Amino acid sequence: AQTVTQSQPEMSVQEAETVTLSCTYDTSENNYYLFWYKQPPSRQMILVIRQEAYKQQNATENRFSVNFQKAAKSFSLKISDSQLGDTAMYFCAFKDNAGNMLTFGGGTRLMVKP
Amino acid sequence: KAGVTQTPRYLIKTRGQQVTLSCSPISGHRSVSWYQQTPGQGLQFLFEYFSETQRNKGNFPGRFSGRQFSNSRSEMNVSTLELGDSALYLCASSAWDRLGNEQFFGPGTRLTVL
Repeated sequence: AQTVTQSQPEMSVQEAETVTLSCTYDTSENNYYLFWYKQPPSRQMILVIRQEAYKQQNATENRFSVNFQKAAKSFSLKISDSQLGDTAMYFCAFKDNAGNMLTFGGGTRLMVKP
Repeated sequence: KAGVTQTPRYLIKTRGQQVTLSCSPISGHRSVSWYQQTPGQGLQFLFEYFSETQRNKGNFPGRFSGRQFSNSRSEMNVSTLELGDSALYLCASSAWDRLGNEQFFGPGTRLTVL
């Protein structure tokens, strides 16, 4: 069974600064997918960014980028130019090729301060 | 396109009762997954349905069941409710056209068991 660990329960960052959220996972699979989801307070969970394990290039979506280290089983999320709207719970998630089951980490609560 | 909808949004039940939650996926999406979110256990996968068939099942007791209809709408049922079943139940839908495709989450049903 896969496990996903987020070691930072809470983080804070000043508006316009950069913050990195950590995620490690454990799997014996070679082909899989990794995701970062954002869950704002009392709002729906939305996908921030995804990474296919077979791709060496790190995924980037505007201000969001990942540092994917397959050998180390590490998948961190970097948020540049943090905005107040980035305040949310962030979940790292793993999915193998067997279906649509996501295994989530415990989450990191990010607070962006003005 | 309308997003994933879940009904009801809030529910209060007492121990021993049963409850049915409903999820309508995004039009054209054939895969529906259910997750339980609690402060203590985080996000845990319940089950996934595709074309009216259960594809995957998480580690939950038999009191938790689900089904999917021909129009892809899904219901989950919890019988003999326990206090520990109090949680936010999230539904997610995705198209089954390729692996690693995005799952779109609904707003959730908040179940309180008294």
